[in-house]
Amino acid sequence: DAEITQSPRHKITETGRQVTLACHQTWNHNNMFWYRQDLGHGLRLIHYSYGVQDTNKGEVSDGYSVSRSNTEDLPLTLESAASSQTSVYFCASSEGTLSYEQYFGPGTRLTVT
Amino acid sequence: QKEVEQNSGPLSVPEGAIASLNCTYSDRGSQSFFWYRQYSGKSPELIMSIYSNGDKEDGRFTAQLNKASQYVSLLIRDSQPSDSATYLCAVRFGDYKLSFGAGTTVTVRA
Repeated sequence: DAEITQSPRHKITETGRQVTLACHQTWNHNNMFWYRQDLGHGLRLIHYSYGVQDTNKGEVSDGYSVSRSNTEDLPLTLESAASSQTSVYFCASSEGTLSYEQYFGPGTRLTVT
Repeated sequence: QKEVEQNSGPLSVPEGAIASLNCTYSDRGSQSFFWYRQYSGKSPELIMSIYSNGDKEDGRFTAQLNKASQYVSLLIRDSQPSDSATYLCAVRFGDYKLSFGAGTTVTVRA
């Protein structure tokens, strides 16, 4: 079955380190999104991509970057991890032509100490 | 800023009752609306999408949309303990991005 996966599921890192979270989908969806979810803030969009080589900033993009070299993957990089980036991170994808529905991966819980 | 507001919770209902969840949005031009269910410690799961004014039913779930009032709701009939979760309203504001409400937590009492 087609799916969307994230790795690692849990990560503890130190302040200042670079961290990359992986997202992989096998639906062949054009659109991919990264969100963070924090108590009191709901889901906030970090970055998104509408196709290979396309990347765009969301509402909370400072300190994060993404790249899209193929349809299946959109890795999220924290350039220099900060304690404020401790959060749960969700990747999602949508088909983009016939459907706007987004489907979420299982999430990565990141702790920055 | 595209805003999506949900009625504050938590919402506690007895088993077998109807749970009613409300959502308002700021952009009159919005065309696509979604309800997600999120169990504690899990990722959001799409349960309903609605694009036209009126009601859409899927099993025990009914989504209602009123674009003139910028209002979308979700009814859960015959609520079960397994319906205990946080429900997120999402609205598409142009292209493919969604804006999410903060969520309403529902607890179904056995």
